[in-house]
Amino acid sequence: GDSVTQMEGPVTLSEEAFLTINCTYTATGYPSLFWYVQYPGEGLQLLLKATKADDKGSNKGFEATYRKETTSFHLEKGSVQVSDSAVYFCALPAYSGAGSYQLTFGKGTKLSVIP
Amino acid sequence: NAGVTQTPKFRVLKTGQSMTLLCAQDMNHEYMYWYRQDPGMGLRLIHYSVGEGTTAKGEVPDGYNVSRLKKQNFLLGLESAAPSQTSVYFCASSWNGGQASRGYEQYFGPGTRLTVT
Repeated sequence: GDSVTQMEGPVTLSEEAFLTINCTYTATGYPSLFWYVQYPGEGLQLLLKATKADDKGSNKGFEATYRKETTSFHLEKGSVQVSDSAVYFCALPAYSGAGSYQLTFGKGTKLSVIP
Repeated sequence: NAGVTQTPKFRVLKTGQSMTLLCAQDMNHEYMYWYRQDPGMGLRLIHYSVGEGTTAKGEVPDGYNVSRLKKQNFLLGLESAAPSQTSVYFCASSWNGGQASRGYEQYFGPGTRLTVT
């Protein structure tokens, strides 16, 4: 079935460092791909998404490009801040029967940014 | 616009007790979901609903029941709590979850932290 695999953490970076969190997927066709972020003590919120191959999603300085050749959707940011410390989840819709799709999440990557 | 709200925020239960978690959304979404989040396991879908009066099982439904009597509310029940149900529970909602929803995101509540002793 459809699934995502993302790099395990935790990841610790110094402020202003470059960030990459890898995500690869297995899917039938070309589903939309998502990155969600969970700040400490909060629920998940959508960070960015891409709806078709070669699309680039971007938000808050984060970017991810939907690459069908490598089945990847890696999350990048050029210069991280302390406020980016959170858990990041890659996700895609997986067919769950009766014509409906549910989100399948990766296990999450915890990012800690130190001053 | 409150989005998705969850009640309560925290709860401690003894083994064998029962409780109900309430989720409410004010976005007129058709689909609603209950997840549990455990360390190292990511989010796992417990049950979901595709509309008022309908529910379906997710990946880890055992020990839980749900009801969707009103479109805006989705209740998660634990009839006889067990320590294995200690977790953080998240509710989410989205637009129609059919084929077109491959582009639709889910909106999450703030979570309920449940401890079963």
